[in-house]
Amino acid sequence: AQKVTQAQTEISVVEKEDVTLDCVYETRDTTYYLFWYKQPPSGELVFLIRRNSFDEQNEISGRYSWNFQKSTSSFNFTITASQVVDSAVYFCALSELTGGGNKLTFGTGTQLKVEL
Amino acid sequence: AAGVIQSPRHLIKEKRETATLKCYPIPRHDTVYWYQQGPGQDPQFLISFYEKMQSDKGSIPDRFSAQQFSDYHSELNMSSLELGDSALYFCASSLEQGRNTEAFFGQGTRLTVV
Repeated sequence: AQKVTQAQTEISVVEKEDVTLDCVYETRDTTYYLFWYKQPPSGELVFLIRRNSFDEQNEISGRYSWNFQKSTSSFNFTITASQVVDSAVYFCALSELTGGGNKLTFGTGTQLKVEL
Repeated sequence: AAGVIQSPRHLIKEKRETATLKCYPIPRHDTVYWYQQGPGQDPQFLISFYEKMQSDKGSIPDRFSAQQFSDYHSELNMSSLELGDSALYFCASSLEQGRNTEAFFGQGTRLTVV
């Protein structure tokens, strides 16, 4: 069975600091997708990124970057120059295609608090 | 662009009552997923439908049932509500053809059982 571990329950940083959210996953499949979602206090799930298991290239989108390392089964997320608006719960998730398409297994989430 | 629509956005029910949550997928999407997120928890997969047939099942209580209709919208029916059913319920939709398409989430329905 697949599993996603986000060991950091809560992280507090001061604005403009860089912060990395860790995600480690377990799966027996060779083909899978990894995701990051942001959940602000309003509750909706905001899609951030989807990464195919065959694509290990790191990705940068503005202040966000992702480091996918298959060798360590990790998919870490870095926010550069954090802002108060980044305060939210961040979920890492995994989907296996053999399990029924896009069924996601979520990690327990990391609460990020960015203070002035 | 059209997104996944969930209704109602908020719902308050008493114990032992019944609730029905509705999900309208993105046009042309043929697959719907339901997730339950308890307070302070991560979303947990409940059930999914592809082309109006149940495609997968997670930790969905027997008191809950769901279906996908001919227009691809889906309804989650919850009976004999318990306090522990209070949660945020998300619906997501995707186009399963090729099985490599992304699922899009609705804004969720917040159910409070009192």
